[in-house]
This record gives sequence, C-alpha cells and structure tokens, in this order.
Amino acid sequence: SQQGEEDPQALSIQEGENATMNCSYKTSINNLQWYRQNSGRGLVHLILIRSNEREKHSGRLRVTLDTSKKSSSLLITASRAADTASYFCATDTGTASKLTFGTGTRLQVTL
Amino acid sequence: DGGITQSPKYLFRKEGQNVTLSCEQNLNHDAMYWYRQDPGQGLRLIYYSQIVNDFQKGDIAEGYSVSREKKESFPLTVTSAQKNPTAFYLCASSIGSKEKLFFGSGTQLSVL
Repeated sequence: SQQGEEDPQALSIQEGENATMNCSYKTSINNLQWYRQNSGRGLVHLILIRSNEREKHSGRLRVTLDTSKKSSSLLITASRAADTASYFCATDTGTASKLTFGTGTRLQVTL
Repeated sequence: DGGITQSPKYLFRKEGQNVTLSCEQNLNHDAMYWYRQDPGQGLRLIYYSQIVNDFQKGDIAEGYSVSREKKESFPLTVTSAQKNPTAFYLCASSIGSKEKLFFGSGTQLSVL
C-alpha cells in the first residue's frame, strides 16, 4: 500500500484562485517532499520540508507539515493555467534509503 | 546541460521478449532509482542503487533486473517474467538517499 495518500484525487479551479492539496502518511518520516508532473512527463521537485519544520515557502507555494497528524498540505496561491498538472507527495520511510510516493492530486486550472 | 536522459521514449515488447530501458545521468549523483507508474496508482519503486556495483530491490522488483557498472548509467531490463509490463517507467537520481530526486522524461512501454 502507498505510504502517502493525497486528497482530493482531482481538483478543478479557475485562474487566480488558490489550490490546496493534502497528503496523509502512515509512519514516522525524516522529510516530506512535493513534486509536480505534467502529463506524460517526468516529475519535477517543488519543495522539501523536514520533520522538524512546520511551514515552508517557495514563490507561490506554501507547504505545511503536522507530524502529530501525519499530514502535509500544499497551497498554490493565485493559480495559473500553467499550474495544471498532477501533484505528488513523497516520504522517506525511516531507515530505508528510498522515497515512497502517494497517488497524486490532478489539478486543472481553467481560464 | 546537466540532467537525466531516458531512452527510448516509446518501446514495444513482444511476448516472451526481454527489453532494456536506458537511463544516463551527468549530474554526478551517487543514487539512482527506477519507478513504475500506472494510471491512478502513483509511482512504485522497482530498484534503486546508492553506489556503483550495488543495488537493492524496491517494492515491485519481480520480473525486472538492473545493473550499475558505471556511476552515470542504470539500465533496467524488463524480462519475460514480468507479465504485465505496460506502464510508464521513470528513472531518477539524487545526490544522496532521501534527498530531492531529479527525474528523466520517462519511457512508455507497451506490449504488442
């Protein structure tokens, strides 16, 4: 089963609105990462937040982490049509040297 | 330009055939990974390598094999034992384990 589960599975908003995606995970982590994937392409790293951090910003992106609830959220402010993509969270699984990805949120931003 | 190159972009496999997917990186990264992506299931780890001449099985290694003879290269062979190989295959690398991954553009494998 997946370590991370994103919610919602799909999200449709209009340009200029904010988009919020959530990720829940099951076991303790060292860090959590968010990636973006355009259709038929590879993933692109967006942001990494460590377990001792609660919030991180990068441009129009804001990521929060709540380790007590084992959850993270990705907020994209003032969305643009170019933000249309799938967004994945990824967590490291303790001592194993690998990342485990969630099932993703498909974001559609319309004009 | 630095990056990861996967080839080919599209690949077709006949019944009983082994096929090899190429992954090359010039980022001087030690760690490399192969993921499989099926629609609606996210990415699943096939194999990963933290250093040359060493690799470990991921969550779905059955029917696949890899080698890591050079730091820059991490080819994936999909063997005839893999009964459902149709998927999008993604190669990635990172400076160290659990750090941010850099992905190639993927190979779509289909069965004839």
